[in-house]
Amino acid sequence: ELKVEQNPLFLSMQEGKNYTIYCNYSTTSDRLYWYRQDPGKSLESLFVLLSNGAVKQEGRLMASLDTKARLSTLHITAAVHDLSATYFCSLQGGSEKLVFGKGTKLTVNP
Amino acid sequence: DSGVTQTPKHLITATGQRVTLRCSPRSGDLSVYWYQQSLDQGLQFLIQYYNGEERAKGNILERFSAQQFPDLHSELNLSSLELGDSALYFCASSSYWQEPVGELFFGEGSRLTVL
Repeated sequence: ELKVEQNPLFLSMQEGKNYTIYCNYSTTSDRLYWYRQDPGKSLESLFVLLSNGAVKQEGRLMASLDTKARLSTLHITAAVHDLSATYFCSLQGGSEKLVFGKGTKLTVNP
Repeated sequence: DSGVTQTPKHLITATGQRVTLRCSPRSGDLSVYWYQQSLDQGLQFLIQYYNGEERAKGNILERFSAQQFPDLHSELNLSSLELGDSALYFCASSSYWQEPVGELFFGEGSRLTVL
């Protein structure tokens, strides 16, 4: 059974700082998804990583995938308050369903 | 706006009651997924339908059932409700013909409160 672990689960950081969220998974998968969720809101797709070594960037967020290490990272550069949200990584766990990590709740303080 | 529509947005009911949550997928998407999100359990996959047929089942209680209709909308029925069923229920849809295949598009969710 696919397990997806994210760390840290809670992250409080100051504006302007850099940080990385880690996503480890237990079984081979060739595609990984990152989602963002604002409090009480829906999940919004951020990145889809389709192959080993894939790197995608949008604004201050950059995601990468290392399928050999079964690891994905979401790097935040020069954080701003608007990035405060919960970030989930997820992978297909068979039968097309997505299995989600517990999420990383990011709070960016002025 | 993801294009996935869920109703109702909020629902308050009592223990022992039954409720129905409704979902309309994005235009053209044949797959519908239901997820439950609670503070202690995170996002739990409940069930998936593809073009009217059940495709995958997750941690769905026997008190819960779902179906997908010919027009592709889906309903999640929750019965004999308990306090612990209070959660945010998400519907998501995906396409098998539009890359990247497998990406889920989520509705706004239905927040269920059982008193």
